[in-house]
Amino acid sequence: SAVISQKPSRDICQRGTSLTIQCQVDSQVTMMFWYRQQPGQSLTLIATANQGSEATYESGFVIDKFPISRPNLTFSTLTVSNMSPEDSSIYLCSVAGQVSGGAFFGQGTRLTVV
Amino acid sequence: AQTVTQSQPEMSVQEAETVTLSCTYDTSESDYYLFWYKQPPSRQMILVIRQEAYKQQNATENRFSVNFQKAAKSFSLKISDSQLGDAAMYFCAYRSVRVPGGTSYGKLTFGQGTILTVHP
Repeated sequence: SAVISQKPSRDICQRGTSLTIQCQVDSQVTMMFWYRQQPGQSLTLIATANQGSEATYESGFVIDKFPISRPNLTFSTLTVSNMSPEDSSIYLCSVAGQVSGGAFFGQGTRLTVV
Repeated sequence: AQTVTQSQPEMSVQEAETVTLSCTYDTSESDYYLFWYKQPPSRQMILVIRQEAYKQQNATENRFSVNFQKAAKSFSLKISDSQLGDAAMYFCAYRSVRVPGGTSYGKLTFGQGTILTVHP
């Protein structure tokens, strides 16, 4: 198993500003994943962060809006840039479990943009 | 691309009773993993149960069990002896079988979720 610490747990931000969310894992992992969960909705993968290379973004998500850093095997950040109210969501980081295991998740960041 | 569908936006159950949550999926892959996750109001995603597609035997974890029908691409979750603490959003999720380091290794595709209410 993996323990994932994510912060901040919540924030209220002004539109047009940016917020960086941090994700720390208690063990080294190859890939980290960032998901978005809009209010009352399911989880949608934003991007996969692989240490030492550029993140891989899913359709509908772009690096300029959601830049990701992955400086080492235990840490990653997701920035939500130039925020608008539509970015109000829960953002979760995740790491893969064992080959047949499910993923482990941080506790999520609840972002409200006003 | 794989898709996961949960057709029940909301379900309710009386405490101590049994409830079944439905999930169907679509894939062209023959081997994969399926999961049920629970998300209480705390937002924490909690793995409830997992199933490897190559295993015919349905997975069981205490009060939680699944009915895995591979040909029908169906993966339902049965909660027995429901407890107040079971109240949460439940997500069905799919994961491909890929080698570590490969593209999208560990990526999950989620269904829309089912809100479960447990009545005392």
